[in-house]
Amino acid sequence: KNEVEQSPQNLTAQEGEFITINCSYSVGISALHWLQQHPGGGIVSLFMLSSGKKKHGRLIATINIQEKHSSLHITASHPRDSAVYICAVSPGGATNKLIFGTGTLLAVQP
Amino acid sequence: EAGVAQSPRYKIIEKRQSVAFWCNPISGHATLYWYQQILGQGPKLLIQFQNNGVVDDSQLPKDRFSAERLKGVDSTLKIQPAKLEDSAVYLCASSFGGDRGYGYTFGSGTRLTVV
Repeated sequence: KNEVEQSPQNLTAQEGEFITINCSYSVGISALHWLQQHPGGGIVSLFMLSSGKKKHGRLIATINIQEKHSSLHITASHPRDSAVYICAVSPGGATNKLIFGTGTLLAVQP
Repeated sequence: EAGVAQSPRYKIIEKRQSVAFWCNPISGHATLYWYQQILGQGPKLLIQFQNNGVVDDSQLPKDRFSAERLKGVDSTLKIQPAKLEDSAVYLCASSFGGDRGYGYTFGSGTRLTVV
């Protein structure tokens, strides 16, 4: 079982819909990251969370440390939001490598 | 603010040849990471530097891969000799360091194809 699980793996939405991507993890963490990767593109960091909620434009990320769960929400989705969304956690400590989820492939249709 | 710069963007080589990738992190970022992302998989950490020193290279295939970070700034990752299974995107990332990896930023990656 992966230490970081995402759901769903694939998601197709119509333009304008509200989208939720979920992430659950089984290790202790110091921070959780939401990342975006367009096909053939690099990885862009969207959020880094250690508690509560953050909002940037149409994107909202929440984390519940007790439940070991985080969600990424996209409001008023647009075709340009189509990408792979990756949840990754920082276990902390000396080696600050990220543990990555398998990603959620989002396709927003016009 | 300039991002993490990587070059080249694409590289095609024959197996058993050697190749080198370059990374320039964000100014002020003490920690630099090299990740390997094979198609359809999540990135895997190859090596992490804190300034000049290596913090974690446990998943670096040291018989063929090497990396260095001179003067605690730019870094190069080398593969010699390359194998077919090395075909992947090689991502460089940097952060301020510390416990949370604040400011974690990825470069656009180098897509390596070994034929």
